Amino acid sequence: AQSVTQLGSHVSVSEGALVLLRCNYSSSVPPYLFWYVQYPNQGLQLLLKYTSAATLVKGINGFEAEFKKSETSFHLTKPSAHMSDAAEYFCAVSENFNKFYFGSGTKLNVKP
Amino acid sequence: DSGVTQTPKHLITATGQRVTLRCSPRSGDLSVYWYQQSLDQGLQFLIQYYNGEERAKGNILERFSAQQFPDLHSELNLSSLELGDSALYFCASSVGQGASNTEAFFGQGTRLTVV
Repeated sequence: AQSVTQLGSHVSVSEGALVLLRCNYSSSVPPYLFWYVQYPNQGLQLLLKYTSAATLVKGINGFEAEFKKSETSFHLTKPSAHMSDAAEYFCAVSENFNKFYFGSGTKLNVKP
Repeated sequence: DSGVTQTPKHLITATGQRVTLRCSPRSGDLSVYWYQQSLDQGLQFLIQYYNGEERAKGNILERFSAQQFPDLHSELNLSSLELGDSALYFCASSVGQGASNTEAFFGQGTRLTVV
Protein backbone atom coordinates (compact mmCIF):
# COMPACT_ATOMS: atom_id res chain seq x y z
CA ALA A 1 0.00 0.00 0.00
CA GLN A 2 1.14 3.50 -0.74
CA SER A 3 0.73 6.55 1.40
CA VAL A 4 2.25 9.96 1.84
CA THR A 5 2.70 11.97 5.00
CA GLN A 6 3.43 15.67 4.88
CA LEU A 7 4.63 17.03 8.20
CA GLY A 8 3.20 20.45 8.96
CA SER A 9 -0.01 21.64 7.38
CA HIS A 10 1.28 25.23 7.56
CA VAL A 11 4.84 26.48 7.20
CA SER A 12 5.80 30.11 7.48
CA VAL A 13 9.15 31.51 6.38
CA SER A 14 10.57 34.96 5.82
CA GLU A 15 11.37 36.14 2.33
CA GLY A 16 14.90 35.06 1.50
CA ALA A 17 14.93 32.24 4.03
CA LEU A 18 15.29 28.54 3.33
CA VAL A 19 12.14 26.66 2.47
CA LEU A 20 11.88 23.07 3.70
CA LEU A 21 8.68 21.10 3.19
CA ARG A 22 8.74 17.56 4.49
CA CYS A 23 7.36 14.47 2.83
CA ASN A 24 7.62 10.86 3.88
CA TYR A 25 6.18 8.01 1.90
CA SER A 26 5.47 4.35 2.17
CA SER A 27 5.54 2.07 -0.81
CA SER A 28 6.02 -1.63 -1.33
CA VAL A 29 7.99 -1.10 -4.52
CA PRO A 30 10.40 1.60 -5.69
CA PRO A 31 8.14 4.57 -6.08
CA TYR A 32 7.78 7.52 -8.36
CA LEU A 33 7.59 10.68 -6.26
CA PHE A 34 6.26 14.10 -7.11
CA TRP A 35 5.80 17.56 -5.74
CA TYR A 36 2.92 19.65 -6.99
CA VAL A 37 2.09 23.27 -6.22
CA GLN A 38 -1.40 24.72 -6.09
CA TYR A 39 -1.96 28.46 -6.21
CA PRO A 40 -5.32 29.83 -5.05
CA ASN A 41 -8.12 28.96 -7.45
CA GLN A 42 -5.72 27.07 -9.69
CA GLY A 43 -5.12 23.46 -10.58
CA LEU A 44 -2.04 21.59 -9.53
CA GLN A 45 1.22 22.24 -11.31
CA LEU A 46 4.09 19.79 -11.33
CA LEU A 47 7.20 21.15 -9.60
CA LEU A 48 9.42 18.12 -9.96
CA LYS A 49 9.41 14.36 -10.02
CA TYR A 50 11.67 11.47 -9.07
CA THR A 51 11.59 8.47 -11.40
CA SER A 52 14.58 6.39 -10.21
CA ALA A 53 17.27 8.42 -11.94
CA ALA A 54 19.29 10.96 -9.94
CA THR A 55 18.30 11.13 -6.28
CA LEU A 56 18.58 14.92 -6.24
CA VAL A 57 15.89 16.30 -8.46
CA LYS A 58 15.77 19.90 -9.63
CA GLY A 59 12.44 21.41 -10.52
CA ILE A 60 10.95 24.67 -11.61
CA ASN A 61 11.11 27.96 -9.74
CA GLY A 62 14.35 27.01 -7.96
CA PHE A 63 12.90 24.08 -6.03
CA GLU A 64 14.65 20.78 -5.57
CA ALA A 65 14.03 17.57 -3.67
CA GLU A 66 16.20 14.69 -2.58
CA PHE A 67 15.06 11.09 -2.57
CA LYS A 68 16.40 9.28 0.48
CA LYS A 69 15.44 5.65 0.40
CA SER A 70 16.80 4.88 3.86
CA GLU A 71 14.61 7.60 5.35
CA THR A 72 11.68 7.07 2.93
CA SER A 73 11.69 10.81 2.46
CA PHE A 74 11.39 13.24 -0.41
CA HIS A 75 11.67 16.68 1.18
CA LEU A 76 11.25 19.80 -0.94
CA THR A 77 13.68 22.67 -0.52
CA LYS A 78 14.42 26.08 -1.93
CA PRO A 79 17.42 28.10 -0.75
CA SER A 80 15.69 31.47 -0.75
CA ALA A 81 11.94 31.99 -0.48
CA HIS A 82 10.16 34.49 -2.66
CA MET A 83 6.78 36.04 -2.00
CA SER A 84 5.45 34.33 -5.12
CA ASP A 85 6.19 30.93 -3.55
CA ALA A 86 3.22 31.31 -1.21
CA ALA A 87 0.94 28.45 -2.18
CA GLU A 88 -0.08 24.97 -1.12
CA TYR A 89 2.34 22.16 -1.89
CA PHE A 90 1.42 18.51 -2.32
CA CYS A 91 3.71 15.53 -2.25
CA ALA A 92 2.53 12.48 -4.18
CA VAL A 93 3.63 8.90 -4.68
CA SER A 94 2.84 6.51 -7.48
CA GLU A 95 3.96 2.96 -8.13
CA ASN A 96 2.87 2.71 -11.72
CA PHE A 97 1.98 6.22 -12.82
CA ASN A 98 -1.67 5.25 -12.94
CA LYS A 99 -2.67 6.07 -9.40
CA PHE A 100 -1.26 9.01 -7.57
CA TYR A 101 -1.59 9.17 -3.80
CA PHE A 102 -1.31 12.67 -2.43
CA GLY A 103 -0.32 13.96 0.96
CA SER A 104 -2.62 16.30 2.83
CA GLY A 105 -0.74 19.35 1.62
CA THR A 106 1.38 22.05 3.24
CA LYS A 107 0.46 25.70 2.95
CA LEU A 108 3.53 27.86 2.63
CA ASN A 109 3.31 31.43 3.87
CA VAL A 110 6.13 33.82 2.98
CA LYS A 111 6.50 36.87 5.20
CA PRO A 112 8.02 40.08 3.87
CA ASP B 1 -2.49 27.28 -18.75
CA SER B 2 -2.07 23.50 -18.53
CA GLY B 3 -4.15 22.81 -21.64
CA VAL B 4 -6.68 20.76 -19.67
CA THR B 5 -10.13 22.31 -19.73
CA GLN B 6 -12.80 21.61 -17.17
CA THR B 7 -16.38 22.81 -17.26
CA PRO B 8 -18.21 24.18 -15.47
CA LYS B 9 -15.92 26.04 -13.09
CA HIS B 10 -18.58 26.26 -10.42
CA LEU B 11 -21.69 24.21 -9.80
CA ILE B 12 -24.30 24.55 -7.08
CA THR B 13 -26.95 21.90 -6.78
CA ALA B 14 -29.30 20.35 -4.25
CA THR B 15 -28.98 17.08 -2.42
CA GLY B 16 -30.29 14.10 -4.33
CA GLN B 17 -29.54 15.64 -7.71
CA ARG B 18 -27.24 14.43 -10.47
CA VAL B 19 -24.51 16.44 -12.16
CA THR B 20 -22.01 15.89 -14.94
CA LEU B 21 -18.54 17.36 -14.93
CA ARG B 22 -16.66 17.61 -18.19
CA CYS B 23 -12.96 17.44 -18.95
CA SER B 24 -11.12 18.03 -22.21
CA PRO B 25 -7.54 16.72 -22.03
CA ARG B 26 -4.52 18.34 -23.59
CA SER B 27 -4.20 17.74 -27.29
CA GLY B 28 -2.54 14.37 -27.82
CA ASP B 29 -3.07 13.09 -24.28
CA LEU B 30 -4.77 9.72 -24.08
CA SER B 31 -5.10 9.36 -20.32
CA VAL B 32 -7.58 11.21 -18.17
CA TYR B 33 -7.58 11.12 -14.38
CA TRP B 34 -10.24 12.38 -11.99
CA TYR B 35 -9.48 13.59 -8.47
CA GLN B 36 -11.60 14.90 -5.63
CA GLN B 37 -10.18 17.52 -3.28
CA SER B 38 -12.07 18.14 -0.07
CA LEU B 39 -11.12 19.61 3.26
CA ASP B 40 -11.54 16.41 5.22
CA GLN B 41 -10.30 13.86 2.67
CA GLY B 42 -7.60 15.88 0.97
CA LEU B 43 -6.76 15.10 -2.63
CA GLN B 44 -8.02 11.66 -3.62
CA PHE B 45 -7.65 9.74 -6.84
CA LEU B 46 -10.99 8.62 -8.23
CA ILE B 47 -10.49 6.94 -11.59
CA GLN B 48 -8.33 6.85 -14.72
CA TYR B 49 -9.24 6.25 -18.34
CA TYR B 50 -6.83 5.56 -21.15
CA ASN B 51 -7.98 5.81 -24.75
CA GLY B 52 -11.57 5.16 -23.80
CA GLU B 53 -11.00 2.31 -21.37
CA GLU B 54 -10.98 2.32 -17.61
CA ARG B 55 -7.41 1.73 -16.41
CA ALA B 56 -7.36 2.30 -12.68
CA LYS B 57 -9.86 2.88 -9.95
CA GLY B 58 -9.36 4.63 -6.66
CA ASN B 59 -11.74 5.75 -3.95
CA ILE B 60 -14.69 6.33 -6.23
CA LEU B 61 -18.15 5.90 -4.77
CA GLU B 62 -20.72 3.70 -6.50
CA ARG B 63 -22.88 6.80 -6.96
CA PHE B 64 -20.12 8.22 -9.17
CA SER B 65 -19.26 7.06 -12.64
CA ALA B 66 -17.07 8.25 -15.44
CA GLN B 67 -16.42 7.61 -19.08
CA GLN B 68 -14.05 8.69 -21.80
CA PHE B 69 -15.46 9.31 -25.25
CA PRO B 70 -13.92 8.61 -28.68
CA ASP B 71 -12.78 12.23 -28.92
CA LEU B 72 -10.97 11.59 -25.59
CA HIS B 73 -12.94 14.04 -23.50
CA SER B 74 -14.21 12.63 -20.26
CA GLU B 75 -17.23 13.10 -18.07
CA LEU B 76 -17.62 12.43 -14.38
CA ASN B 77 -21.20 11.76 -13.34
CA LEU B 78 -22.17 12.27 -9.73
CA SER B 79 -25.63 11.12 -8.66
CA SER B 80 -27.76 11.11 -5.52
CA LEU B 81 -25.62 13.96 -4.32
CA GLU B 82 -24.98 14.43 -0.63
CA LEU B 83 -23.67 17.42 1.27
CA GLY B 84 -20.38 15.59 1.73
CA ASP B 85 -19.84 15.48 -2.01
CA SER B 86 -19.11 19.19 -1.99
CA ALA B 87 -15.53 19.44 -3.16
CA LEU B 88 -13.20 20.55 -5.88
CA TYR B 89 -13.02 17.98 -8.65
CA PHE B 90 -9.89 17.96 -10.74
CA CYS B 91 -9.23 16.37 -14.05
CA ALA B 92 -5.70 15.64 -15.22
CA SER B 93 -4.37 14.26 -18.47
CA SER B 94 -1.18 12.64 -19.65
CA VAL B 95 0.18 11.23 -22.86
CA GLY B 96 0.55 7.65 -21.77
CA GLN B 97 -0.23 5.30 -18.95
CA GLY B 98 2.23 3.67 -16.64
CA ALA B 99 5.23 5.10 -18.47
CA SER B 100 8.10 6.43 -16.40
CA ASN B 101 8.20 9.70 -18.26
CA THR B 102 4.51 10.41 -18.10
CA GLU B 103 3.58 13.73 -16.58
CA ALA B 104 0.03 14.56 -15.59
CA PHE B 105 -1.27 18.06 -16.26
CA PHE B 106 -4.14 19.30 -14.15
CA GLY B 107 -7.13 21.42 -15.04
CA GLN B 108 -8.33 24.24 -12.80
CA GLY B 109 -11.07 22.13 -11.33
CA THR B 110 -14.84 22.26 -10.93
CA ARG B 111 -16.02 23.46 -7.56
CA LEU B 112 -19.17 21.56 -6.63
CA THR B 113 -21.35 22.83 -3.83
CA VAL B 114 -24.23 20.66 -2.69
CA VAL B 115 -26.85 22.50 -0.65
